[in-house]
Amino acid sequence: GESVGLHLPTLSVQEGDNSIINCAYSNSASDYFIWYKQESGKGPQFIIDIRSNMDKRQGQRVTVLLNKTVKHLSLQIAATQPGDSAVYFCADAYYGGSQGNLIFGKGTKLSVKP
Amino acid sequence: NAGVTQTPKFQVLKTGQSMTLQCAQDMNHNSMYWYRQDPGMGLRLIYYSASEGTTDKGEVPNGYNVSRLNKREFSLRLESAAPSQTSVYFCASTPGPRDGTQYFGPGTRLLVL
Repeated sequence: GESVGLHLPTLSVQEGDNSIINCAYSNSASDYFIWYKQESGKGPQFIIDIRSNMDKRQGQRVTVLLNKTVKHLSLQIAATQPGDSAVYFCADAYYGGSQGNLIFGKGTKLSVKP
Repeated sequence: NAGVTQTPKFQVLKTGQSMTLQCAQDMNHNSMYWYRQDPGMGLRLIYYSASEGTTDKGEVPNGYNVSRLNKREFSLRLESAAPSQTSVYFCASTPGPRDGTQYFGPGTRLLVL
């Protein structure tokens, strides 16, 4: 069945370093992926998305890479800051069904050391 | 523009009690969703409403009911709460069922004793 997984449940980085959070998906028909950031005690917040006709998309300090061949995507955060400490979720927004619903991964907790 | 709001923020129930979680959005979105989030887990879809007047089951609908009261409001009801329903509940909305990303509320923390 459909699943979205993350390679590491936790990631600790030094302030100023780059962070890379990985995600794998299982549905080869999936065509739209979204990364969310969830700070403690808050709801998830949209970071960046990517469609399957792209292999890279950049935002402010964030880049998402999509490798459809191995069904893998990653979120790169440049110059990681303490405010980036949060849980990061990738979500598969497969719209092949009758309704578009998100399938979330379990999340990676990013800790930024000062 | 408050986005997605949820009430209450926190609730304690005894097993067998009932309650309704409220959600409202002011972004004129058509689609609304209810998720639950358990420790160490991602979000799991309980129910969703693609548009006003329609509701459908998600991944984990058992023990819950929903009402799409109007375009703005989407409530989640627990008729007879169980300890397994202890969780954090998030409401979300999108412009349409296949449009864009989901905007989440701040969540309701529910503890069932």
